[in-house]
Amino acid sequence: EPEVTQTPSHQVTQMGQEVILRCVPISNHLYFYWYRQILGQKVEFLVSFYNNEISEKSEIFDDQFSVERPDGSNFTLKIRSTKLEDSAMYFCASSGDRDYYEQYFGPGTRLTVT
Amino acid sequence: GESVGLHLPTLSVQEGDNSIINCAYSNSASDYFIWYKQESGKGPQFIIDIRSNMDKRQGQRVTVLLNKTVKHLSLQIAATQPGDSAVYFCAEIPPSTDKLIFGTGTRLQVFP
Repeated sequence: EPEVTQTPSHQVTQMGQEVILRCVPISNHLYFYWYRQILGQKVEFLVSFYNNEISEKSEIFDDQFSVERPDGSNFTLKIRSTKLEDSAMYFCASSGDRDYYEQYFGPGTRLTVT
Repeated sequence: GESVGLHLPTLSVQEGDNSIINCAYSNSASDYFIWYKQESGKGPQFIIDIRSNMDKRQGQRVTVLLNKTVKHLSLQIAATQPGDSAVYFCAEIPPSTDKLIFGTGTRLQVFP
């Protein structure tokens, strides 16, 4: 069964450093998303991406965040200068054209900013 | 990938019993609702969905009920099994968007 994959599973970085979280969505999907979950809190929407551009973003997704689909398979989230409060679980999701709303999630990357 | 929350509501059931997990959603105009299951160390896993023009939908061992009058969603799991132990989230998609808005989550514990 196709699945969304994410790397790394755990990333530790120092405050102020740049991080790139990587995702490989399901291959025939067209819509891509990033969500995050701070420990003990709800899963929160960050950004959606379609047709090589951002279709929607949340207030969390400020200028320090960016997304890219550098090739036909990867989807990345970059945080330029990490802050302590960026520590969270980051989930990538994708959905297809036929099941537009059915978003499939990856296993997540745990980001720890020290 | 676990929603570890000191304040997560918890439902404890005996194996074989039926479980009912409830959720209140926020936007009366939302037209699509989904239940996700999140096991420890994993991302949310799609269980079942329902559109706003329906009030009930059944899957394999699961049923989702939608009450738009009180903005309430429930997930019923029949014959609960140990493998059902996880955190369950409801999520809604408001109109004119495809972003999921997640609820707080409920931890389901199944005892033998």
